[in-house]
Amino acid sequence: QVHLVQSGAEVKKPGASVRVSCKASGYTFTRYGISWVRQAPGQGLEWMGWISPYNANTNYVQKLQGRVTMTTDTSTSTAYMELRSLRSDDTAVYYCAREQGPMDVWGQGTTVTVSS
Amino acid sequence: EIVLTQSPGTLSLSPGERATLSCRASQSVSSSYLAWYQQKPGQAPRLLIYGASSRATGIPDRFSGSGSGTDFTLTINRLEPEDFAVYYCQQYGYSPLHFGRGTKLEIK
Repeated sequence: QVHLVQSGAEVKKPGASVRVSCKASGYTFTRYGISWVRQAPGQGLEWMGWISPYNANTNYVQKLQGRVTMTTDTSTSTAYMELRSLRSDDTAVYYCAREQGPMDVWGQGTTVTVSS
Repeated sequence: EIVLTQSPGTLSLSPGERATLSCRASQSVSSSYLAWYQQKPGQAPRLLIYGASSRATGIPDRFSGSGSGTDFTLTINRLEPEDFAVYYCQQYGYSPLHFGRGTKLEIK
């Protein structure tokens, strides 16, 4: 069975960085992209970017360029999303999702709270 | 970038009724690369429809998608209590892969 399991909740101060992990199982990790999507409290879904575990190509949404880095470790079938210079409006639930066009499998979500 | 506008923002219906949700794109969506997701409170989104009209694995046939170009529709026949949730459309033909702002389907 295909699963994506994310790391636990984080509380960070403004200006800090956070790294969220997403461990895949039940499929060949390098055959599908991984997208990251976030959802601020009471808001809709915001696509953040995508990474190919096959060749490490990335595509980030313009508003996060320079603050976000997505990586993968194919030896452990794990994807990572690092967000730097955190602000209060980065407070959200962060999801990873397996992607081959549509996003067919999602992680359970990681809550990141940015607060002084 | 393609902007997706969903309507209505909230839809109030009773179990057993039919729901019709709309998603309009600001420009034509490539090869009908349009998906629909369902999200319940405290849960991750779930893929319902991809390619505008293909049901994802395990999705009941009361869910159907239609449309092409810039106008797309999600129809839910014979609403069940578990269908009351928020529904998002998303295009995946062009980067950035934006979502619509969602339609909340609530019990009347």
